[in-house]
Amino acid sequence: GAVVSQHPSRVICKSGTSVKIECRSLDFQATTMFWYRQFPKKSLMLMATSNEGSKATYEQGVEKDKFLINHASLTLSTLTVTSAHPEDSSFYICSARDRAGGLYFGEGSWLTVV
Amino acid sequence: GENVEQHPSTLSVQEGDSAVIKCTYSDSASNYFPWYKQELGKRPQLIIDIRSNVGEKKDQRIAVTLNKTAKHFSLHITETQPEDSAVYFCAALLFTGRRALTFGSGTRLQVQP
Repeated sequence: GAVVSQHPSRVICKSGTSVKIECRSLDFQATTMFWYRQFPKKSLMLMATSNEGSKATYEQGVEKDKFLINHASLTLSTLTVTSAHPEDSSFYICSARDRAGGLYFGEGSWLTVV
Repeated sequence: GENVEQHPSTLSVQEGDSAVIKCTYSDSASNYFPWYKQELGKRPQLIIDIRSNVGEKKDQRIAVTLNKTAKHFSLHITETQPEDSAVYFCAALLFTGRRALTFGSGTRLQVQP
């Protein structure tokens, strides 16, 4: 089946620094990738939609200058959390959509900002 | 946009009993309704899904029903087992579009041995 790999699975960074999370579709071309954020005991909240070769579309309330999304190829999308703060600590998870419309989740990335 | 509401937020049942989780959606154009099981710190795992052209789908102990008129769908788990304990999310989507899944708020199911 389709596999989406997300890296790193866990990362700790200092306040004020930036951290990049990668999402790769390993055996299919992802026409669209989605980035979600999940706080403890909460649901998955869509942050942005990323289409290959075009700018990401951000959900209301998500700062595009803080959460930089790049979808440079049909198999890779990256989320960069810039100038991270402790309140950015969360579980970030990507989802990739193949040409048939199937949706597949990455393993998720735990971000802790200290 | 789509809005999905899910109830209950927590559900505790005895092993062997049935569990039912209900969701409603707002966008009548949505035509794909998956259910996910998520364990702590893991990715959501698709357990069953249904499209708007059918009213019910069953896979062993799990079933999903859909009422398009009322815009609600439900997950039914029969003969629950302790390993069914997890958080369950419903979601809705216009499958042919390029939108993302909209998730419900989640239900924490606890199956007591």
